[in-house]
Amino acid sequence: EVQLVESGGGLVQPGGSLRLSCAASGFTFSSYDMHWVRQATGKGLEWVSAIGTAGDTYYPGSVKGRFTISRENAKNSLYLQMNSLRAGDTAVYYCAREYYDILTGPYGMDVWGQGTTVTVSS
Amino acid sequence: QSALTQPASVSGSPGQSITISCTGTSSDVGGYNYVSWYQQHPGKAPKLMIYEVSNRPSGVSNRFSGSKSGNTASLTISGLQAEDEADYYCSSYTSSSTLFGGGTKLTVL
Repeated sequence: EVQLVESGGGLVQPGGSLRLSCAASGFTFSSYDMHWVRQATGKGLEWVSAIGTAGDTYYPGSVKGRFTISRENAKNSLYLQMNSLRAGDTAVYYCAREYYDILTGPYGMDVWGQGTTVTVSS
Repeated sequence: QSALTQPASVSGSPGQSITISCTGTSSDVGGYNYVSWYQQHPGKAPKLMIYEVSNRPSGVSNRFSGSKSGNTASLTISGLQAEDEADYYCSSYTSSSTLFGGGTKLTVL
């Protein structure tokens, strides 16, 4: 079964750090681009970061310099290191996979995890 | 970059068709044929419904269709069913990021 399982969420104080993990199974992890997407309670989806199969990384301005995405293909795992956390980072964090064909482009995020909750509060 | 613009809500009766718009710019929606649509039921993870503007993943009903004109993409759901009631998000690839729309709540009357 194709599956993504996030872990590592929790309560952290403003300015603190947290590392999220996403364990992949049932597919060739190294062949897929991977994303982190978050959703604050009652709000919409917000793209947080992406990492390509070659290890290239991408971030929106809201997290650039604070968050670092990485992957360990040998362990079928995706990570998100979050530093200098703010109240506005409070959300459910999802990992998602996306196949990217060099000729035809991205195929959309077709598999998502169940999410892990991050709460930034004193 | 700003989020893509979607209507906050749409509604329709069972059996009817509805269309949700997603407006961006020439740097995102208008510049690439890489628009995706996601369905999200309360408390659940998003589900991919459309990719590359108009392609349906395996297992997605053909009642769902996508299109694009200029900087605006659209999701059409025909033959509305009660189970279609959910939030819908568009997404667009750009050269260095992924953008989501603000989301549209679909109510089936």
